[in-house]
Amino acid sequence: DVKVTQSSRYLVKRTGEKVFLECVQDMDHENMFWYRQDPGLGLRLIYFSYDVKMKEKGDIPEGYSVSREKKERFSLILESASTNQTSMYLCASSLLFQGNLQETQYFGPGTRLLVL
Amino acid sequence: TQLLEQSPQFLSIQEGENLTVYCNSSSVFSSLQWYRQEPGEGPVLLVTVVTGGEVKKLKRLTFQFGDARKDSSLHITAAQPGDTGLYLCAGARASGTYKYIFGTGTRLKVLA
Repeated sequence: DVKVTQSSRYLVKRTGEKVFLECVQDMDHENMFWYRQDPGLGLRLIYFSYDVKMKEKGDIPEGYSVSREKKERFSLILESASTNQTSMYLCASSLLFQGNLQETQYFGPGTRLLVL
Repeated sequence: TQLLEQSPQFLSIQEGENLTVYCNSSSVFSSLQWYRQEPGEGPVLLVTVVTGGEVKKLKRLTFQFGDARKDSSLHITAAQPGDTGLYLCAGARASGTYKYIFGTGTRLKVLA
């Protein structure tokens, strides 16, 4: 079974702190994604990566950056956390890049971040 | 801008009832997926529909992709408490950068 793990289930941070969210997948997937989930808004894509050291902006990249130094690990960084970044953050991975309409994204359990 | 609207947003029904969840957009999608998310977990893929008009069945769940590939529905027959969860549709854009657009979500609660 594919497993996507996230470093923390819950995090509480102060405004202005630098926050690192880590995601690891164990199935050698090329693609990895970071989403935030807010009630009534569904999942919104922050960044995605289709290879090591490659990244592309999603729909809401402002205030975030990412790092992918190894294929299995994708990190989301909040350079200076703000209260409007309080949310559930979900990491996902998938096997193929484009062209496969049957692609499946496998999600981690999420990190609930509270910024005070 | 949210491109996929789901309705209803919340649904609470008794065990054994039928229900339909809708996923609508003004955009065309090359494929559309439905996920279910249980509390404390990430979404899990239920089905992918690719062809306009396609109907897929997964036990008591029936998924349909609109003829124009702009909308989809999920119908559950004889709902059970185990169907409780957040249902999300996700559309793969027909053109442009690879990414899925997720719907706003429908939170379903089935009471025993």
